[in-house]
Amino acid sequence: GENVEQHPSTLSVQEGDSAVIKCTYSDSASNYFPWYKQELGKRPQLIIDIRSNVGEKKDQRIAVTLNKTAKHFSLHITETQPEDSAVYFCAASRDTGNQFYFGTGTSLTVIP
Amino acid sequence: KAGVTQTPRYLIKTRGQQVTLSCSPISGHRSVSWYQQTPGQGLQFLFEYFSETQRNKGNFPGRFSGRQFSNSRSEMNVSTLELGDSALYLCASGNSRPTEAFFGQGTRLTVV
Repeated sequence: GENVEQHPSTLSVQEGDSAVIKCTYSDSASNYFPWYKQELGKRPQLIIDIRSNVGEKKDQRIAVTLNKTAKHFSLHITETQPEDSAVYFCAASRDTGNQFYFGTGTSLTVIP
Repeated sequence: KAGVTQTPRYLIKTRGQQVTLSCSPISGHRSVSWYQQTPGQGLQFLFEYFSETQRNKGNFPGRFSGRQFSNSRSEMNVSTLELGDSALYLCASGNSRPTEAFFGQGTRLTVV
């Protein structure tokens, strides 16, 4: 089955700096890669996603890049703010249903 | 539009007992997936139901089972509970093709 690895497990940045979280996947058939943000005590919520026919996608301060050949994808957050502090999960899925394989999460702390 | 509803929110059970968790998806969504979230393992896929049929299954023992009803509501059952089953159980609803998964707030199960 699919194996998704995520690094780093914890990340602290100064407010205004950029944060980068990286994930690798093992199944070359995976073609959908969402990123979820989970604040303490809350449910995970989608922040951005990318499909395998696209190399990069941006949404304001958030961007995701995908390298299918290397089987890795990354989340980039620019101009970080304290409210960006949360746990971020990457995930991978095939087109065979809503079966998501998640990374183990990155706890991001933005220091004011 | 009502979100994904999980009941109960909290459960305390004794080893050896069984438990049933419920998930009501967003209206119109026919896919319900279940995940186990623990601090060390992140979110692990249990199974997915689509139109009352199990479409995908993760690598959990047979003590974990589920079903889906004609109104798309889903239940998950865990029999012969073990201490290691203590976790937050999340369900997510979605459409037929992998896209944004909408998570419920989860059921916190504690096995003592």
